Amino acid sequence: QTVVTQEPSFSVSPGGTVTLTCGLSSGSVSTSYYPSWYQQTPGQAPRTLIYSTNTRSSGVPDRFSGSILGNKAALTITGAQADDESDYYCVLYMGSGNVVFGGGTKLTVL
Amino acid sequence: QLQLQESGPGLVKPSETLSLTCTVSGGSISSSSYYWGWIRQPPGKGLEWIGSIYYSGSTYYNPSLKSRVTISVDTSKNQFSLKLSSVTAADTAVYYCVVKLLGTLNFDYWGQGTLVTVSS
Repeated sequence: QTVVTQEPSFSVSPGGTVTLTCGLSSGSVSTSYYPSWYQQTPGQAPRTLIYSTNTRSSGVPDRFSGSILGNKAALTITGAQADDESDYYCVLYMGSGNVVFGGGTKLTVL
Repeated sequence: QLQLQESGPGLVKPSETLSLTCTVSGGSISSSSYYWGWIRQPPGKGLEWIGSIYYSGSTYYNPSLKSRVTISVDTSKNQFSLKLSSVTAADTAVYYCVVKLLGTLNFDYWGQGTLVTVSS
């Protein structure tokens, strides 16, 4: 089965910009994979940030944006804040009803 | 606003069947706008999609779990359920019931999650 890849960890300074990526062990991510992004803080259920590549979920600040960069999906956080420190997961549609999550990226804001 | 609540045993013995139910409130499980599904997360690890069901009964399962998983809908009770057979310690996880918007990967609503431990 194709593996969905994410950076295990990333750090960003408060106010800075960070781009997390979501790739495939084989092939390129395109909009046809409906890439979506979730944020999870400890002890909480994940919440949707971005779906269908670049659609922001209701209530999500516009400093979160999604795109395709090269052969990967990307989540960019502009003007990072302390409470952005979370785990971020991407998920891709692999066809035939199959959905695969990436391993997640632990974002530190310091 | 949809609300989801998981229920079921928190402890299951190895080789037995894990059974969970998700009760939906604030909306109808017969809605044509959503898929109803399950996602799990082993302690300290990432998310794993288990499968989804449409109100009509159409199901989609994670290929790695497909031989052990059954997801079903009970429209009369506004509930959907998960059964995972032949469990092992590797199935220990927080299990979330979720709602996915049709045509997207937007799992828009999540239950609070329930920890199921597989142990003798």
